[in-house]
Amino acid sequence: NAGVTQTPKFRVLKTGQSMTLLCAQDMNHEYMYWYRQDPGMGLRLIHYSVGEGTTAKGEVPDGYNVSRLKKQNFLLGLESAAPSQTSVYFCASSYRTGKRTDTQYFGPGTRLTVL
Amino acid sequence: DAKTTQPNSMESNEEEPVHLPCNHSTISGTDYIHWYRQLPSQGPEYVIHGLTSNVNNRMASLAIAEDRKSSTLILHRATLRDAAVYYCILRDVIEGSSNTGKLIFGQGTTLQVKP
Repeated sequence: NAGVTQTPKFRVLKTGQSMTLLCAQDMNHEYMYWYRQDPGMGLRLIHYSVGEGTTAKGEVPDGYNVSRLKKQNFLLGLESAAPSQTSVYFCASSYRTGKRTDTQYFGPGTRLTVL
Repeated sequence: DAKTTQPNSMESNEEEPVHLPCNHSTISGTDYIHWYRQLPSQGPEYVIHGLTSNVNNRMASLAIAEDRKSSTLILHRATLRDAAVYYCILRDVIEGSSNTGKLIFGQGTTLQVKP
C-alpha cells in the first residue's frame, strides 16, 4: 500500500493564480482531511470529508474549496492564491467513523509558496 | 474543546529514556489521549493512544495519571531518529454521531536527541 500520497510536493504560485492539490489514499478510508501548517505552528484543519460526495468546513476554510468525487481522492483548490496561503499542506485519512480511537494517516505534505 | 499543555522543547541523550509530559486538566471523561509525532519535513505519524490505563506498543509507552489530568509519553531508549515534534492531542470525537474526527494540534514539544 502506498498509504496517503500528495501531488505536487512543491509549488510556487503568483498572487491571484489558481491551483489544485491532489490527495489520494489506497486504504479504503471514509474520512479525509486537509490541514495547513505554518512555520513553528501546529496543524490547522481547513476542510474535511466524511465520505464520498460530502465535504465540510474546518477551522480555516476561507480561500479554499474542496471536492470528494471519488472515495480515494480529496482535492483542495485555491481559486485566487494569496501570500497568506504560503504554507505546508497535509492531507490525512482515517478509517472508522465516530470512533475515538481512529488513527489518522498523513501524507508527506505539499510545500506551497505564493509570491 | 479540551486543551493540552506541553513544554516547548526537551533534550535527551541517545539511548536514554525520555519522558514527555502533557497536561490536560479540562479533559472530559470520554476523551481519549492521542500522541502523534512529526519528524523533520514529514507529515505527522501516530504514536500511541489511551483512555485510562497505561498503554505500551512497539514505539512507546503512555502513562496516564489516575485523575487523567496529565499523561506522559515514554520513549524507553531515545535514538537520533526520535528527534521530532511530539503532539499530545485529545480526540474530538463523539461516539455514534456525525462528527469531524478532527485532530486539534497545539505547538507540541520539540525533542532534541544528542549523540
